[in-house]
Amino acid sequence: GDSVTQMEGPVTLSEEAFLTINCTYTATGYPSLFWYVQYPGEGLQLLLKATKADDKGSNKGFEATYRKETTSFHLEKGSVQVSDSAVYFCALSLYYGNNRLAFGKGNQVVVIP
Amino acid sequence: NAGVTQTPKFRVLKTGQSMTLLCAQDMNHEYMYWYRQDPGMGLRLIHYSVGEGTTAKGEVPDGYNVSRLKKQNFLLGLESAAPSQTSVYFCASSHGQGVNNEQFFGPGTRLTVL
Repeated sequence: GDSVTQMEGPVTLSEEAFLTINCTYTATGYPSLFWYVQYPGEGLQLLLKATKADDKGSNKGFEATYRKETTSFHLEKGSVQVSDSAVYFCALSLYYGNNRLAFGKGNQVVVIP
Repeated sequence: NAGVTQTPKFRVLKTGQSMTLLCAQDMNHEYMYWYRQDPGMGLRLIHYSVGEGTTAKGEVPDGYNVSRLKKQNFLLGLESAAPSQTSVYFCASSHGQGVNNEQFFGPGTRLTVL
């Protein structure tokens, strides 16, 4: 079935470092792809999205490009801040799937001052 | 707009007790969803609804029931709670089907079953 795979384990890095979180997907159709962020004690909120191949989603300095050839949607940020500490989830939605989302397991990101 | 709200925020139950979690949205969304979040498991869909009066099963529906009597509300029920249902529960809503559809999430309910 349709699924999303995120890299294993938490990510710890220093302020102003470069962040990459890998996300690959398996889908039978042409999914839309999303990154959601969850700050401590809160619900998820949409960070960025892309709806077709080669689209780039961007928001708050984060970027991700929809790569159909590698079935990937890696999240990147050039210079992280302490306030970026959160859990990041990659997700896909199928057009004909009642807008259900399939989530990856999430990555905890900790940014150290 | 309050967006998506959930009641209660926290709850502790004993095994076998029942409870209902309430989700409300004020965005006139057609679709609503209930997820559970467990460590290392991401979010898993329990049940969802594509409109008032309709419900459907998600990935992990066993032990839960839902109702959507009003468009703005989506209730999740546990008839006989089990320790395996200890989790954080999130409700979400969206306009409906479409490639640009975003799901909006509530703040979550932390449930502990002893």
